[in-house]
Formats: sequence, structure tokens, C-alpha cells
Amino acid sequence: GAGVSQSPSNKVTEKGKDVELRCDPISGHTALYWYRQSLGQGLEFLIYFQGNSAPDKSGLPSDRFSAERTGGSVSTLTIQRTQQEDSAVYLCASSLQTGVRETQYFGPGTRLLVL
Amino acid sequence: GQQLNQSPQSMFIQEGEDVSMNCTSSSIFNTWLWYKQDPGEGPVLLIALYKAGELTSNGRLTAQFGITRKDSFLNISASIPSDVGIYFCAGHRTSGTYKYIFGTGTRLKVLA
Repeated sequence: GAGVSQSPSNKVTEKGKDVELRCDPISGHTALYWYRQSLGQGLEFLIYFQGNSAPDKSGLPSDRFSAERTGGSVSTLTIQRTQQEDSAVYLCASSLQTGVRETQYFGPGTRLLVL
Repeated sequence: GQQLNQSPQSMFIQEGEDVSMNCTSSSIFNTWLWYKQDPGEGPVLLIALYKAGELTSNGRLTAQFGITRKDSFLNISASIPSDVGIYFCAGHRTSGTYKYIFGTGTRLKVLA
């Protein structure tokens, strides 16, 4: 069965440009999460979607970051006017439902490099 | 964002040796998770712990939820080359919901 997929796998962009990162969760998973992993660091929570509920955006570092989830499935994380400090691996995860005991399944990540 | 204190940051060990790493927090957690991340991949869940004092094994891996609820450790017995990777702990607070706080990772390298 297919796991969580993300695209592109790598993205190099120039400072100031906008980028879009895509996540395809596991089919049937209602919860979707975005994390950022900076070099040598752990995962930093960015945003969470659960079904049709309003997303929890509390982890987004600035208003240059936004995300949407269309049709309860595919999600897009958009970074506007990218800065060099945005360089990181952006990981997406999904889980069947929301709950402490729900396993989050991670995609391989998108490696973003802002020059 | 807040992160857990995880140690050691990295370690080189000989194949066949046992490995131990731990994670500590200043806050009480009600769930501890241990993940492994291979190069170029996302983290994969190894062990989940839900009760203080709980000791859980998964093959050669054993993890424990500390009695104080502020720490957890992971042991790997008889390491093999494929154990190489980054191991992350993650904690879930009693007052939190789905937001896990992650450790900074332990990079393990196994010398054959």
C-alpha cells in the first residue's frame, strides 16, 4: 500500500521567491501534519488538519507560511518570499484519526534550499 | 519551538555492542515515542509508551517511560550496521493534544 508521499523531493529556490510543497497522505487518513526539520534539529510542528475542522496553525513561524488541504486529502504548504532561514526539510505526516495513540506516518520530506 | 533534551547527540559504536540513549524534559509527559530516521527518509515509529514505568520491547529495542514522567530511554542490544540512523524521542504533554515535542536526535553510527 502507498505511504505518505511528498513532492518535490528537493527544491532549490532564490531568496524572495514563493514555493509550494505538496503532501499526499495515506488514503483514508483524516489527520494531516506538517513539520519542519532544520539541520541537526528535531521536528518542529507547523500546522495540523483534521477532517473539515479549522486547521491549527499555531506552529507556523510567520505569515509568509500558509497551508491548505483540499477535499480532506492533498495538502499544500506555501512559503512566500522565501528567506535563507527557511532552508530545511519539510515533513508531512498523516494519521487515521486524531488521538494520543494514533500513529503518525511520515513522508520522505521535501528538502528546501533557499539561496 | 520547544524541544526535548536528548543525549548523546551522536555516537560511534562497534557492531555487536549495546546502545543506550535518553530523553529528558522539564515538563511531565503522558506519552513518549521513539522514532528512527534513515537518511533521506521520514521518521518511522519504533516504540510508543503510554504509562509511567512502562517497559516495552520491539525486537532488539527496549524503551522505558520514566517513573517521574519526565524522561525516557531507548536501548538497542547487539547493534548491527542497519541500526545506523537518527533516533528521535517525542513527548506528548498532559495538557496538550496532538502536538508532539521532539528531541534533537541521537545520530548512531555502527562500525562493522
